[in-house]
Amino acid sequence: NAGVTQTPKFRVLKTGQSMTLLCAQDMNHEYMYWYRQDPGMGLRLIHYSVGEGTTAKGEVPDGYNVSRLKKQNFLLGLESAAPSQTSVYFCASSPLGGGPTSRTFGSGTRLTVV
Amino acid sequence: DAKTTQPPSMDCAEGRAANLPCNHSTISGNEYVYWYRQIHSQGPQYIIHGLKNNETNEMASLIITEDRKSSTLILPHATLRDTAVYYCIVRVGDQAGTALIFGKGTTLSVSS
Repeated sequence: NAGVTQTPKFRVLKTGQSMTLLCAQDMNHEYMYWYRQDPGMGLRLIHYSVGEGTTAKGEVPDGYNVSRLKKQNFLLGLESAAPSQTSVYFCASSPLGGGPTSRTFGSGTRLTVV
Repeated sequence: DAKTTQPPSMDCAEGRAANLPCNHSTISGNEYVYWYRQIHSQGPQYIIHGLKNNETNEMASLIITEDRKSSTLILPHATLRDTAVYYCIVRVGDQAGTALIFGKGTTLSVSS
């Protein structure tokens, strides 16, 4: 049981390049989330999804897009990367009706934009 | 969600109890106190939560003051593997998609 898997684990981008971060969960969870964490800061919610085919904006959505075409996958896209998007990105999932106790996090993707 | 205040860092000797405080003076009657921790380079991990009564599980104990304006997370016998950032979060349940506001947390350093 892998839980929440994020790929890639590390990536370096040049300013203006695009990329997609993949989050996959094998727990049949309804809800999925993308967070970013900057040095010395807590996690901030970028986008989230309450089910297949649905997405919504979180606290800091600008510069990112997401898609949830399959229940088990939640993709985070950067269309034109900027140095301000250098961060560690975490994906999480939780079951329908589950509270914060049931939120499972991935191990993170460390992205550097130069 | 109520704002929380935690000390930026704490030290603890291995085998001793680690007591991590959290102030949440503006907490509402229906808001829970949650604790998460984040070990270096890993995603956050849920530890424990409570509403008004003290709680204990296999990982930790949570002591909430009678006026609910503060709480303390207790790791009874800290080990080196407990070195992490500990986040105190106050919120009402878990509405779909709403953010867990992590703040900066307390960095706990356990040494031998």
